[in-house]
Amino acid sequence: EAGVTQFPSHSVIEKGQTVTLRCDPISGHDNLYWYRRVMGKEIKFLLHFVKESKQDESGMPNNRFLAERTGGTYSTLKVQPAELEDSGVYFCASSVGGQGDHEQYFGPGTRLTVT
Amino acid sequence: QQQVKQSPQSLIVQKGGISIINCAYENTAFDYFPWYQQFPGKGPALLIAIRPDVSEKKEGRFTISFNKSAKQFSLHIMDSQPGDSATYFCAARLETSGSRLTFGEGTQLTVNP
Repeated sequence: EAGVTQFPSHSVIEKGQTVTLRCDPISGHDNLYWYRRVMGKEIKFLLHFVKESKQDESGMPNNRFLAERTGGTYSTLKVQPAELEDSGVYFCASSVGGQGDHEQYFGPGTRLTVT
Repeated sequence: QQQVKQSPQSLIVQKGGISIINCAYENTAFDYFPWYQQFPGKGPALLIAIRPDVSEKKEGRFTISFNKSAKQFSLHIMDSQPGDSATYFCAARLETSGSRLTFGEGTQLTVNP
């Protein structure tokens, strides 16, 4: 079974440009999460989808970030316009739906560098 | 305000030694405490987890010790091996938060041969 995949693995863009990150969760996983790790700090929660609906987007830094999950399958995270402080590693994770201690499976991350 | 604090930031241990990583949390409503292991170029992967009604959980060479009154928990790696060299993250989850995880800052563990 394929794990969580993310594309691209690395992205280097200039301040003011737009970048779109993609996450493909494990097939059948209703829950999809985006996290970010900046400058060796803690991994911070950004938002949570249940199927195609945003369950919790309290961690989104500002309105320059837009997340979508088309048809409850893959998800995209768009940053527009990018700022220097957006640099970091963006992780996507997925888990099965329902109650319980369901493990979150993480993708390898997208390393974003804004210059 | 960081709700989960992790220490040390980096740790060097000799092969066969014991690695200990500590975490402290603020929110007493956290109900699930996982540890994640991350190798370079990979995403974090669940290593072991504990609920607050248990004081210790052991899986092979990995043990979580949990102190509810002190709001602290720690990961012990017995007989540490070079293959254990990785970044370790403690985390906490609030069930009512929709299962989002709150992470510590991570510990870079190096096990020398």
